[in-house]
Amino acid sequence: GENVEQHPSTLSVQEGDSAVIKCTYSDSASNYFPWYKQELGKRPQLIIDIRSNVGEKKDQRIAVTLNKTAKHFSLHITETQPEDSAVYFCAASDNTDKLIFGTGTRLQVFP
Amino acid sequence: GAVVSQHPSWVICKSGTSVKIECRSLDFQATTMFWYRQFPKQSLMLMATSNEGSKATYEQGVEKDKFLINHASLTLSTLTVTSAHPEDSSFYICSARGQAGYNEQFFGPGTRLTVL
Repeated sequence: GENVEQHPSTLSVQEGDSAVIKCTYSDSASNYFPWYKQELGKRPQLIIDIRSNVGEKKDQRIAVTLNKTAKHFSLHITETQPEDSAVYFCAASDNTDKLIFGTGTRLQVFP
Repeated sequence: GAVVSQHPSWVICKSGTSVKIECRSLDFQATTMFWYRQFPKQSLMLMATSNEGSKATYEQGVEKDKFLINHASLTLSTLTVTSAHPEDSSFYICSARGQAGYNEQFFGPGTRLTVL
């Protein structure tokens, strides 16, 4: 089955700096890669996703890149703000639509 | 956007009792729903996939007789934790997927279960 690894587990940045979170997956059949932001006690919120036929996608300060050959994808947050502080999860899904989540990254943005 | 609700939002029960959690898609029909469990400071772990009108598919290591899933309609799936024990205490989150072929899942707000 699919296995998703995520690094780093914690990330601290100064406000205004960029943050990068990386994930690798094992199943070459996976074709959908969403990123979620989860605040304490809340549901995961989809912040951006990418499909396997696209290499990069950007939405304002957030971007995701996908390297299918290497089986890794990354989340890039630019101009970080304190409200970006949360736990971020990557996930991978194949045609069964099952989402397999990474282990999570706790991002802290210091003012 | 698509809205998914869960009820209750939290529940405390005694060891040995059963607890039912409801997951509803409010403004769309969900052909497939998923149930996840999340322990503190850990990731979401998929427990089972629930398809309307058929038996749920459980992930390896998840006891189907302990976690009963029923998806009786296109807008409702239920998870019943039978004979709950303290180690079942967790945050249970459901998600719903609408039309087949569209990967995006819409998450419920979660149910925090505490078993005393």
